Amino acid sequence: GAVVSQHPSRVICKSGTSVKIECRSLDFQATTMFWYRQFPKKSLMLMATSNEGSKATYEQGVEKDKFLINHASLTLSTLTVTSAHPEDSSFYICSARDAQGGSYGYTFGSGTRLTVV
Amino acid sequence: DAKTTQPTSMDCAEGRAANLPCNHSTISGNEYVYWYRQIHSQGPQYIIHGLKNNETNEMASLIITEDRKSSTLILPHATLRDTAVYYCIVRYILTGGGNKLTFGTGTQLKVEL
Repeated sequence: GAVVSQHPSRVICKSGTSVKIECRSLDFQATTMFWYRQFPKKSLMLMATSNEGSKATYEQGVEKDKFLINHASLTLSTLTVTSAHPEDSSFYICSARDAQGGSYGYTFGSGTRLTVV
Repeated sequence: DAKTTQPTSMDCAEGRAANLPCNHSTISGNEYVYWYRQIHSQGPQYIIHGLKNNETNEMASLIITEDRKSSTLILPHATLRDTAVYYCIVRYILTGGGNKLTFGTGTQLKVEL
């Protein structure tokens, strides 16, 4: 089945620094990937849609200059949290759908736990 | 945009069928219903999806009402490992093509001995 690898699984960074999270589709090509954020005991909130070779589409209220998204290839999208602050601490999850279709729907990565201290 | 409504939590005895309901009364004709589940601190896991007809796979069955305003996910023989948050999602069709999944609050299913 389709597999999405997300790295790192956990990261702790200091306030003011930037953190990059990678999302890779391992056995399929994904023209579109999605980035979500999840706070404790809450549902997933879509942040942005990452499109290969073009600019990402951000959901309302998400700062595009703070959450930089790059989707340079059909198998890799990155999310960079710039100038991170403690309120950015959260669980970040990516997902992708096989460009060729298929019956597995959207495959999710295992998530990245970001803690800003 | 179609929204979904699910009960906050449900309990189920191990070995029994778990029936998880979802209301999506504003769904449009070309929107699919997807079900995912999330075990604590992991990424969501795909379960099943459907448009109009009932669907079954190795994990579960999806029953969609004829008017498509609601659906039920059925786990035929729940086990302790099925304890998770179950999300019913309507797939939006974005203008210009493409799709996105928007999550609701989900149902916390607790399977007990």
